[in-house]
Amino acid sequence: NAGVTQTPKFQVLKTGQSMTLQCAQDMNHNSMYWYRQDPGMGLRLIYYSASEGTTDKGEVPNGYNVSRLNKREFSLRLESAAPSQTSVYFCASSGGVSGRTDTQYFGPGTRLTVL
Amino acid sequence: GQSLEQPSEVTAVEGAIVQINCTYQTSGFYGLSWYQQHDGGAPTFLSYNGLDGLEETGRFSSFLSRSDSYGYLLLQELQMKDSASYFCAVKGGSTLGRLYFGRGTQLTVWP
Repeated sequence: NAGVTQTPKFQVLKTGQSMTLQCAQDMNHNSMYWYRQDPGMGLRLIYYSASEGTTDKGEVPNGYNVSRLNKREFSLRLESAAPSQTSVYFCASSGGVSGRTDTQYFGPGTRLTVL
Repeated sequence: GQSLEQPSEVTAVEGAIVQINCTYQTSGFYGLSWYQQHDGGAPTFLSYNGLDGLEETGRFSSFLSRSDSYGYLLLQELQMKDSASYFCAVKGGSTLGRLYFGRGTQLTVWP
């Protein structure tokens, strides 16, 4: 199993450009998440999808859109990139929305720089 | 809303014991998790406490007191490879499954 995969690993954009970050998981998980991580800020949730066909805003959704394409794939789109979106982006997945634990499994991250 | 507080940095020497504390405020609480992240890497799950008390996994232990809204991660017999950031995260709020992360504690282990 590959777990959670993300593409690309690195990306440099100019202000105003658009791009889509791809994420896929092969663990048959119901829930998927997009986070951004900035120095000293921990992991902040951008959007999440509790199950296929649903998406919800997290703490910092402005400037982003998401698509839960199917159970495996959850993409994050920046329509018009801004320097404030320079960050490391992590995708994660988890098995479900109930139960004693809800361990999240993270992808390797995408390092995005917006000039 | 949800908020979590943990120290920003901790240092210790190899072989020592270190405790990383986490206090939280959350509307609805289902459990406290700990994640480890090495520089340039992805966060990885370490432990989970859904009930009060101590959970032990090898050299790492995690404790929870729900009445005090407090937990800690205890790392024993520290090794250089334990140098990393450690995040506490609460499972709570109105949506099960969603985690709220603290800002992380950078642990540096010196030889």
